[in-house]
Amino acid sequence: GNSVTQMEGPVTLSEEAFLTINCTYTATGYPSLFWYVQYPGEGLQLLLKATKADDKGSNKGFEATYRKETTSFHLEKGSVQVSDSAVYFCALSLRGGGNKLTFGTGTQLKVEL
Amino acid sequence: SAVISQKPSRDICQRGTSLTIQCQVDSQVTMMFWYRQQPGQSLTLIATANQGSEATYESGFVIDKFPISRPNLTFSTLTVSNMSPEDSSIYLCSVVAVGDSTLGYTFGSGTRLTVV
Repeated sequence: GNSVTQMEGPVTLSEEAFLTINCTYTATGYPSLFWYVQYPGEGLQLLLKATKADDKGSNKGFEATYRKETTSFHLEKGSVQVSDSAVYFCALSLRGGGNKLTFGTGTQLKVEL
Repeated sequence: SAVISQKPSRDICQRGTSLTIQCQVDSQVTMMFWYRQQPGQSLTLIATANQGSEATYESGFVIDKFPISRPNLTFSTLTVSNMSPEDSSIYLCSVVAVGDSTLGYTFGSGTRLTVV
């Protein structure tokens, strides 16, 4: 079956530190990959996405590269801010699989001054 | 991308009662989904809402407990029936817009349900 594995949180960083949140996946086909962010008390927002191998998704200083050889889609940011504190979800979807999203367990990020 | 209005945003309900959650989209969408997010957990797909026909439920979810309607391309409802405290969760509507070949999913802001 399809699954997404994320590094466990919470991850606590100082402002301006480098961020990596690991995400690996298992899929029976060629998935599209997503990172969603959930700020406290809010719903999910799409942060970035990639639809094929070697694509790089980027938004708001965050980046993730679709690595087929390692089945990974790690999220990175060069310099985090307090406002980046949120829960980050890695997810995949497969065409022909009902276009349903399969989510990882989420990683809570806390950024401190 | 599509804009979703989900109502109510939160509610506190008595056990044994039912709550209907509405999802209204500002444009026609091909697919609508309902997810549940239990406290501190990830999102679990409840069902795919199909226009004019019965929803497609995921394993562990049944129509009697979570009846879903989708009368047209822009509106769907999820009912949480005969509620118990274990149903306390955030319920989220998600859509995929017509013509979005990159499968851009949009989520509503969610309904925070507390059952007492």
